[in-house]
Amino acid sequence: SQQGEEDPQALSIQEGENATMNCSYKTSINNLQWYRQNSGRGLVHLILIRSNEREKHSGRLRVTLDTSKKSSSLLITASRAADTASYFCATDQGGSEKLVFGKGMKLTVNP
Amino acid sequence: GAGVSQSPSNKVTEKGKDVELRCDPISGHTALYWYRQSLGQGLEFLIYFQGNSAPDKSGLPSDRFSAERTGGSVSTLTIQRTQQEDSAVYLCASSSSSPYQETQYFGPGTRLLVL
Repeated sequence: SQQGEEDPQALSIQEGENATMNCSYKTSINNLQWYRQNSGRGLVHLILIRSNEREKHSGRLRVTLDTSKKSSSLLITASRAADTASYFCATDQGGSEKLVFGKGMKLTVNP
Repeated sequence: GAGVSQSPSNKVTEKGKDVELRCDPISGHTALYWYRQSLGQGLEFLIYFQGNSAPDKSGLPSDRFSAERTGGSVSTLTIQRTQQEDSAVYLCASSSSSPYQETQYFGPGTRLLVL
């Protein structure tokens, strides 16, 4: 089954609201990353959290990692229309040289 | 500095033809990755290069797919005898070392349509 599954699959909110996306994974990891993709093109790296970290902030982004539950969440505060995109979590597999991406979550922020 | 570039941006080909997709990674990045993304789906790992060697080719879907990297820089993904199910966006990424140490920087992708 999929390593790195985002939940919900789609989210629609109003500008100014917070958006929370969750990611679950199955194997042990060294780190977990979140990426954003606009219009089905290249992905942009947002934030990386290592397995020994529990929380990380970057601007309006807050990421948490719970290795005991094998889950992570991405919180976008005070959302903007420009945050409309698909968001992916990606995990290594604790020794593998590749990242495994989830199917992504489509966020729509309505102005 | 310049990011990852890919060419062509779009490619339309007929079933059975061969195609070559090119990726120029960020200068100095030793690791290079190819992914495939079908419409509305996540990224499917294809192959990973460290320098010119490919330690992990496990994602290549069939022997019609091959990739090479020369001079530790440019990489070419070749699809022979294309099939309609090969239609997808092909994404390339590079990083300065192994993935769990560094983030990956993606190119804009090549959108391939096989008629």
